Amino acid sequence: DSGVTQTPKHLITATGQRVTLRCSPRSGDLSVYWYQQSLDQGLQFLIQYYNGEERAKGNILERFSAQQFPDLHSELNLSSLELGDSALYFCASSVGAGLDNEQFFGPGTRLTVL
Amino acid sequence: DAKTTQPNSMESNEEEPVHLPCNHSTISGTDYIHWYRQLPSQGPEYVIHGLTSNVNNRMASLAIAEDRKSSTLILHRATLRDAAVYYCILRDEQAAGNKLTFGGGTRVLVKP
Repeated sequence: DSGVTQTPKHLITATGQRVTLRCSPRSGDLSVYWYQQSLDQGLQFLIQYYNGEERAKGNILERFSAQQFPDLHSELNLSSLELGDSALYFCASSVGAGLDNEQFFGPGTRLTVL
Repeated sequence: DAKTTQPNSMESNEEEPVHLPCNHSTISGTDYIHWYRQLPSQGPEYVIHGLTSNVNNRMASLAIAEDRKSSTLILHRATLRDAAVYYCILRDEQAAGNKLTFGGGTRVLVKP
């Protein structure tokens, strides 16, 4: 158990819909990261927040957005869903934002878009 | 991000050592070498990291070539639980944030 929690575990929805994925980082961790894992693209970095502020952006679509709240939990919002958005979404956290900070990953949310 | 090259897969027998190579010929002086692994149906898990010197921890050892253009992750005695995809990742001090850029990784199969 990494200490990072993600809800829900599974999500099944239809094209065009909007969903929110939630992540609670390990206690004391200020950085939160979102990653997407699909069969054809592998594991891809989406976005990072550090202490409430966006720190780095990866290949995140404009239909996707995220935020980190004052209690440090984070939400990833996916809208106008397409079949290709079906994937595993992982949240990770780390104490700080330094390069030698280990990232702890949650169990993931499996999103299926029908 | 500097690129890494790893074999697609490797097999090992239980309780034998496993040496996982990683080539990173374009590594810069500020890049840290990180290894993560992903067990089936789980999120990635940190294994070890280093900059220039060899490193040991309870999970594995990391041997870094003198010119830093390659490294080897060593699992000293493979167990069935070590069957996973192992990712070698370079983390660039110059890049904004400290994201992990995953490649294809090496799928390790451990035979009993």
